[in-house]
Amino acid sequence: LAKTTQPISMDSYEGQEVNITCSHNNIATNDYITWYQQFPSQGPRFIIQGYKTKVTNEVASLFIPADRKSSTLSLPRVSLSDTAVYYCLVGGYSYGQNFVFGPGTRLSVLP
Amino acid sequence: EAGVAQSPRYKIIEKRQSVAFWCNPISGHATLYWYQQILGQGPKLLIQFQNNGVVDDSQLPKDRFSAERLKGVDSTLKIQPAKLEDSAVYLCASTPTGGEQFFGPGTRLTVL
Repeated sequence: LAKTTQPISMDSYEGQEVNITCSHNNIATNDYITWYQQFPSQGPRFIIQGYKTKVTNEVASLFIPADRKSSTLSLPRVSLSDTAVYYCLVGGYSYGQNFVFGPGTRLSVLP
Repeated sequence: EAGVAQSPRYKIIEKRQSVAFWCNPISGHATLYWYQQILGQGPKLLIQFQNNGVVDDSQLPKDRFSAERLKGVDSTLKIQPAKLEDSAVYLCASTPTGGEQFFGPGTRLTVL
C-alpha cells in the first residue's frame, strides 16, 4: 500500500484558496488518489478522486502532476465550515483493496 | 438513500467488560469495513468484509476483537475483554465495488 505524507496542520482565512499537498512517492500504476474530509464527531466523507491531471467537482479541485508522486487538493474560497481534517489516500479500486489513512491535515479556517 | 447506520453512538464500560457494536451498511454495498480511530489519529482498518467473507483482518487484535457479517449485510464488532487502550471511535464504512467509502457516524467507546 502506498504511503502518503501531508502537512499536519494548516491555517487559512475565510475567502482564501487553500491548497493541501500530499506526497505519495511509491504510488502504483493502478492507484487512484482520493481525498476525504472529516468533521469532529463524524465519519470521513469523500471529497474528490483522480488518477492524473486535473479533476474538479462542486467543492474542490485535485491537481496531479505527470509523475503522480504528489497531488494537491485545492479548496476555493474557504469558509469557517471547511475547518476539518483532510486525508489523502492512494489505492486501486478493486475487490479486496483497502487503504491506509494517515494522520491527515488539520485545516483551521479563521474569520 | 439511507446512509450507514451504527449503534450505539456512545458506550462507556469498565475494563475487562465486553461490548458489541452494530453496523447496517448501505443497501447493496458488498464491501464493509470496520475502523478504529483513536483521538488525534486517522482511522485504522480493523477488518474488511466482501459480502460475508473476510478479506483482510491483519490488524484486528484477534485475542480480544471479533467481527462477523452474517448474510452479507449487517455486521457486529465485539471486544472481549476491553482494555483502556480500546477507548476510541469505531467507524463502519461500506462501498459497492471497492470505490468511494461511505462512513457511518461511529460509536465512541470509553473504557474506564
